[in-house]
Amino acid sequence: SQTIHQWPATLVQPVGSPLSLECTVEGTSNPNLYWYRQAAGRGLQLLFYSVGIGQISSEVPQNLSASRPQDRQFILSSKKLLLSDSGFYLCGGGRIQAGELFFGEGSRLTVL
Amino acid sequence: GENVEQHPSTLSVQEGDSAVIKCTYSDSASNYFPWYKQELGKGPQLIIDIRSNVGEKKDQRIAVTLNKTAKHFSLHITETQPEDSAVYFCAASPEGMWTNAGKSTFGDGTTLTVKP
Repeated sequence: SQTIHQWPATLVQPVGSPLSLECTVEGTSNPNLYWYRQAAGRGLQLLFYSVGIGQISSEVPQNLSASRPQDRQFILSSKKLLLSDSGFYLCGGGRIQAGELFFGEGSRLTVL
Repeated sequence: GENVEQHPSTLSVQEGDSAVIKCTYSDSASNYFPWYKQELGKGPQLIIDIRSNVGEKKDQRIAVTLNKTAKHFSLHITETQPEDSAVYFCAASPEGMWTNAGKSTFGDGTTLTVKP
């Protein structure tokens, strides 16, 4: 079965510092991969998705970027964090021709 | 685009009672409706899903019903237990051969508390 590993689980960073959240997938090849942000008490907001290596689509304009250097690796980055970047970030993966979506455990980012 | 509304936002039930969470959607092209359970500090996990060619699906204590005409679907949990306490999310997406399930539209979630 498909498993998503995401790290770090928690991160406290100063404003203006860089960010790198990493996500890796096991148990499937060529998955669609997604980065979401989840605000407290709200649903998931899709930030980026990727259908293959080097292919990134952005859903909302923001201070973040994403990259997919390998088939099963998806990275969320920022060059300079803002206070508003604080939140709970989830990596998700799905298989083509199947609706099921798998999630990592999430990364809680606090920008001070 | 799709709009999904989920009610109630919070639900508290006594252990052993049933819990019902409802979602409505707006896009008639949506034909895949998953439900996710998210425990505190963790990622969501799929618990049950239903496709538009089915009106009801059941898995032990969990069932989902779909009314395509009215564009609403519901999650039913019977004989609730304290470990059912979590946030539950519904979602809707137009599933197809090249489906992009992660682009589903999610509801805002329901916090279910089961009191022992």
